[in-house]
Amino acid sequence: DAGVTQSPTHLIKTRGQQVTLRCSPKSGHDTVSWYQQALGQGPQFIFQYYEEEERQRGNFPDRFSGHQFPNYSSELNVNALLLGDSALYLCASSPGLFAYGYTFGSGTRLTVV
Amino acid sequence: ELKVEQNPLFLSMQEGKNYTIYCNYSTTSDRLYWYRQDPGKSLESLFVLLSNGAVKQEGRLMASLDTKARLSTLHITAAVHDLSATYFCAVDDKDFGNEKLTFGTGTRLTIIP
Repeated sequence: DAGVTQSPTHLIKTRGQQVTLRCSPKSGHDTVSWYQQALGQGPQFIFQYYEEEERQRGNFPDRFSGHQFPNYSSELNVNALLLGDSALYLCASSPGLFAYGYTFGSGTRLTVV
Repeated sequence: ELKVEQNPLFLSMQEGKNYTIYCNYSTTSDRLYWYRQDPGKSLESLFVLLSNGAVKQEGRLMASLDTKARLSTLHITAAVHDLSATYFCAVDDKDFGNEKLTFGTGTRLTIIP
């Protein structure tokens, strides 16, 4: 049973560019959340998607946007990249709203230069 | 806003010794998670605590939850080198309908032979 799959694993971008990160949830999970983890910090909640809609959003600017597809996979888009966007981006899936138990993917390491 | 504090932030301990990591949170919540993270890796779920007085054990790790005190502990018994990692506690935020995890700052544990 495949867990949460994220791609790419590593990415280097230049300031001002745009990036798209992808996530396939664990089989049987329909809810996807995205987290940003800066070096030496705990993960910070970006947003959550359920039924192709953004359900909740953390304290992140509009440069961060997302999408969920009918097959429950999700994308995270970041526009106008800043050096401070360099981080590990984690996708977590769960079996429905209000369900406990999140499964995290291996993450995408984004470096902005 | 929900705050989650862990202490200590850094812990260096000898093999064979016992120690406890503390996780305090600021608002009511009935779900608390413990995760392990190895350098450059994703989050590995250790425990999910769902009610006051919950206690779970796996190998040399034992976690407990006191919702009245808003405190969870992760106890390490007879530490071994393989337990070296960063440990995070995370709380489901009821103000976000339990759809958002708020993480502590993490405890970096180093086991010395």
